[in-house]
Amino acid sequence: GPKVLQIPSHQIIDMGQMVTLNCDPVSNHLYFYWYKQILGQQMEFLVNFYNGKVMEKSKLFKDQFSVERPDGSYFTLKIQPTALEDSAVYFCASSLRQGTLYFGAGTRLSVL
Amino acid sequence: AQSVTQPDARVTVSEGASLQLRCKYSYSATPYLFWYVQYPRQGLQMLLKYYSGDPVVQGVNGFEAEFSKSDSSFHLRKASVHWSDSAVYFCAVSSQGGSAKLIFGEGTKLTVSS
Repeated sequence: GPKVLQIPSHQIIDMGQMVTLNCDPVSNHLYFYWYKQILGQQMEFLVNFYNGKVMEKSKLFKDQFSVERPDGSYFTLKIQPTALEDSAVYFCASSLRQGTLYFGAGTRLSVL
Repeated sequence: AQSVTQPDARVTVSEGASLQLRCKYSYSATPYLFWYVQYPRQGLQMLLKYYSGDPVVQGVNGFEAEFSKSDSSFHLRKASVHWSDSAVYFCAVSSQGGSAKLIFGEGTKLTVSS
């Protein structure tokens, strides 16, 4: 089936540094999402993105977070600066229409 | 506000036995409903979805789910489980308009014992 690729699979950084998580969505998809999952817990919605703009963001999407998809390439999540509580697995997803999301395998972010 | 509750954090069944994983949703209008499965160190994969029509929907690998508006439920079932079904299962709800986000339940970890 359709594949969403996330690069890298694991990222380790020091608290206060900037990190960019990259997502290569399914090529013809129009909606893009980031979710956060702390180990063994619920998948929590962060933000979704359509037509070059943020559609909706949750309270977890702090001011230090930003998303973009320059020139229709990677969909990125940037955290600047990072905090210890940002350690989690971040999942990217994309969809052609509402509802049926395709997820990547996730990027495990470890903030030290 | 939309919400999803999966009351069973962990379920253990024997291989070959039947399975039901429970899901209750809260949403004022008619929702889109989904079941996703997450295998270790992987992303979520959709098993099935309900938009409208027949309340019993069939999914992949022999899974099915039944929508009940009166009970606000969307329980997942399988007639005979296999050891490879061991995973975490998430129920999710989405609005029929708006931002298209999915709201997930807490997940149920299924262990199939041999």
